[in-house]
Amino acid sequence: GQQLNQSPQSMFIQEGEDVSMNCTSSSIFNTWLWYKQEPGEGPVLLIALYKAGELTSNGRLTAQFGITRKDSFLNISASIPSDVGIYFCAGRETSGSRLTFGEGTQLTVNP
Amino acid sequence: GAVVSQHPSRVICKSGTSVKIECRSLDFQATTMFWYRQFPKKSLMLMATSNEGSKATYEQGVEKDKFLINHASLTLSTLTVTSAHPEDSSFYICSASRDRLAYEQYFGPGTRLTVT
Repeated sequence: GQQLNQSPQSMFIQEGEDVSMNCTSSSIFNTWLWYKQEPGEGPVLLIALYKAGELTSNGRLTAQFGITRKDSFLNISASIPSDVGIYFCAGRETSGSRLTFGEGTQLTVNP
Repeated sequence: GAVVSQHPSRVICKSGTSVKIECRSLDFQATTMFWYRQFPKKSLMLMATSNEGSKATYEQGVEKDKFLINHASLTLSTLTVTSAHPEDSSFYICSASRDRLAYEQYFGPGTRLTVT
């Protein structure tokens, strides 16, 4: 089946630092989505990417759709304590509607 | 907006009983809804995809007779866990999309099921 490798698995940073995480796929995707999940809640959509090379920002968050269509990264600038949570990438294949999710990056921000 | 609700948020049931979980899109019509299962500290595992008015498509390894899915309207999908066992205890999350291509999926808050 589809494989999505997300790294790092966890990050422990100080407030104010920048964060970067990425996902790579064994196959081509035509959509990349980035979600954040807090404990006991469902994932919340942060950024959606539809074109290879696309760079999209949402406040302090920036994500890019890799040119090869097999990877994507998410950057968070000037992290704050409320950024804590698990960040998931998700990709959609060129056919079909199902999303494949990465294993998640657990982010901890120390004040 | 794109708000999805789930009910109940938590449920505890005894082995052998059935539990129904509702997923509603509150401010848009959801042509396609998805049901996921998530284990602690793990990623989301797709169980099935349902399109309004048609039978759900189940992922390999998911028993359709145990996890009954009904997508009767454009704003409501239900997941019924039949004859629940302790191993069915998990966090169940639905998502909804405005179109069949599901470019963007919006998730509900999840339902914590505990089977005793």
